[in-house]
Amino acid sequence: RKEVEQDPGPFNVPEGATVAFNCTYSNSASQSFFWYRQDCRKEPKLLMSVYSSGNEDGRFTAQLNRASQYISLLIRDSKLSDSATYLCVVNKRGYGGSQGNLIFGKGTKLSVKP
Amino acid sequence: NAGVTQTPKFQVLKTGQSMTLQCAQDMNHEYMSWYRQDPGMGLRLIHYSVGAGITDQGEVPNGYNVSRSTTEDFPLRLLLAAPSQTSVYFCASRPGTNTGELFFGEGSRLTVL
Repeated sequence: RKEVEQDPGPFNVPEGATVAFNCTYSNSASQSFFWYRQDCRKEPKLLMSVYSSGNEDGRFTAQLNRASQYISLLIRDSKLSDSATYLCVVNKRGYGGSQGNLIFGKGTKLSVKP
Repeated sequence: NAGVTQTPKFQVLKTGQSMTLQCAQDMNHEYMSWYRQDPGMGLRLIHYSVGAGITDQGEVPNGYNVSRSTTEDFPLRLLLAAPSQTSVYFCASRPGTNTGELFFGEGSRLTVL
């Protein structure tokens, strides 16, 4: 099983749609979870952290299910500007300094159409 | 607000040549890392550093060397470039080893012929 798995998409949705991305991770000892956004030919940027109780930032809602080792991202009322690749990111629990290393999923591409 | 600065942004090498990708951050971050991104493979960790004088290998370290003589700089050296090293390279830093947002540079696109 890959360390972080995501549906690669692409997800093609109309403006205003609600879209959900899913992600699973293999290491039950992972403690930190994030969603990053990467625009075409740009660097990844943090979209939001994911907390155990779930959290919301405007139109974006992230949820974590530790028992199932599953993370989700919900985007409501999609905008054209939401078109990007969304990366699920989990920290790697290893030994010594490697504990903080972040493992990236391959990303899910979203295209929002007018 | 420089953040993480990578140079060069683009480079073409011939097989067997060597080069150094430069990375500098002005945020006094302890942790720095290098990733490579290839189509269908996602971001993979090459090397990382948890502080000046300390470096360690990531997932795909072969063919690359790093050093961390200062907190600010974390260069990545390709010793004998190979076509398999054609990729986009990202340098990233974060405040602490286990905490904080990972800030990325704009990336360096390397082609090895």
